[in-house]
Amino acid sequence: GDSVTQMEGPVTLSEEAFLTINCTYTATGYPSLFWYVQYPGEGLQLLLKATKADDKGSNKGFEATYRKETTSFHLEKGSVQVSDSAVYFCALNSGFQKLVFGTGTRLLVSP
Amino acid sequence: EAGVVQSPRYKIIEKKQPVAFWCNPISGHNTLYWYRQNLGQGPELLIRYENEEAVDDSQLPKDRFSAERLKGVDSTLKIQPAELGDSAVYLCASSLDLGTGGYEQYFGPGTRLTVT
Repeated sequence: GDSVTQMEGPVTLSEEAFLTINCTYTATGYPSLFWYVQYPGEGLQLLLKATKADDKGSNKGFEATYRKETTSFHLEKGSVQVSDSAVYFCALNSGFQKLVFGTGTRLLVSP
Repeated sequence: EAGVVQSPRYKIIEKKQPVAFWCNPISGHNTLYWYRQNLGQGPELLIRYENEEAVDDSQLPKDRFSAERLKGVDSTLKIQPAELGDSAVYLCASSLDLGTGGYEQYFGPGTRLTVT
């Protein structure tokens, strides 16, 4: 079945450092890919998405590129802020209208 | 525009007691989802509604869980009786499914259930 694998956290960075959170997937067909963010005490918010190979999703300085050849959708940001501290979930939808999530990666950014 | 609304935000009950969660989706969204998120894990789908119809309930433990979506708007998820392993965050989400793929699901804040 479909699955998503994320790097384990926590990822601990200093403010203004470069961020990469790895995400790889297994799916039938050509899924849409998503990154969701969950701030403490809040629900999940869509951060960015990509619907086909080589698409780049971007939002709030975060980017991720849909790589079909490596089945990956790594999340990157050039300069993180303390306010980016949250849990980040990679997810896919392979056309059955069901999101399949990874286990989440906690990001901790210190001043 | 108001987001997905859920209540209550927190619930503590003793095992074997019943519990219910309520969700009001974003206005106009035809598809509604209930997810369960265990501690340290990603959400897992329990049930999906298209309008009033439950079109995917394969992951719903039907011996103790039930759900309904009357009039294709609000939804209620019930557990009876609750077990210790049901402690989790229950998330509701909604989307406007236009059949074109790449749709976005919008999540509510969740209900954190603790069963003692």
